[in-house]
Amino acid sequence: DVKVTQSSRYLVKRTGEKVFLECVQDMDHENMFWYRQDPGLGLRLIYFSYDVKMKEKGDIPEGYSVSREKKERFSLILESASTNQTSMYLCASSGQDAGVYGYTFGSGTRLTVV
Amino acid sequence: GENVEQHPSTLSVQEGDSAVIKCTYSDSASNYFPWYKQELGKRPQLIIDIRSNVGEKKDQRIAVTLNKTAKHFSLHITETQPEDSAVYFCAQRGGGNKLTFGTGTQLKVEL
Repeated sequence: DVKVTQSSRYLVKRTGEKVFLECVQDMDHENMFWYRQDPGLGLRLIYFSYDVKMKEKGDIPEGYSVSREKKERFSLILESASTNQTSMYLCASSGQDAGVYGYTFGSGTRLTVV
Repeated sequence: GENVEQHPSTLSVQEGDSAVIKCTYSDSASNYFPWYKQELGKRPQLIIDIRSNVGEKKDQRIAVTLNKTAKHFSLHITETQPEDSAVYFCAQRGGGNKLTFGTGTQLKVEL
C-alpha cells in the first residue's frame, strides 16, 4: 500500500542538466516536503509546501526550486545540476497537523550527477 | 534556528541488550518529537513519538523519554533483536509542520 511515490529510484544526470524529481501522494495530505539525505548529515529540508501553489524555503534551498500545481504532486527541480547535488532525495507528506501521524516518506531517489 | 544534535552516531550492542540514543534540541517552543527507523535501502518509518505534555511513552520494547527543562529526549530499545539493526533518526517540530532531524544513529545488533 504505497502512499508516497517517487517517480525514479535511481537517476544519473550530467552537470548542467535540468532535473525534475517527482513525488505523488494519495492520502489527500496538505503538507509536502523535500529532504536530501547525506551520510553524517541526516535529513536536511530543501523546500516544503502547505498548499497548492504555495512553497517555502527550507534550510538548504540554494540550487533548487519546487512546483506544486496539484495537491497530490510536489516536484523538486534542479535548475542546473552540479556534482555536489549527488545525494538521496526523500519526499514526505503529512496531514494538516504533522503531530498526529508524523510524516509518510517516499522510497527515495538516488541522484548521481556526473 | 532549530537544531537537533543526536548521539551516538554509531552504536553496537549484543542481542538482548538495551540501546539508548539521545537527542538535544534548541527550540524551546518545540512540541512534538518523533523517532524514525530506516532499514537499509528503505524509507524512514515512524516508530514512536512523544508530545511536549508527556514525559514518557512506551510501545512494547521501545520507549521515548522527554526532559523539557533540559531540552533533550531519548529512545530506549530493550531486549534488542537483529531486526532492530537500522539507522534511527530523532526529530523535533518547531514552527508549523516542519520537522528538523538529527544526524542519525547507525544501530547494529550483534548475535
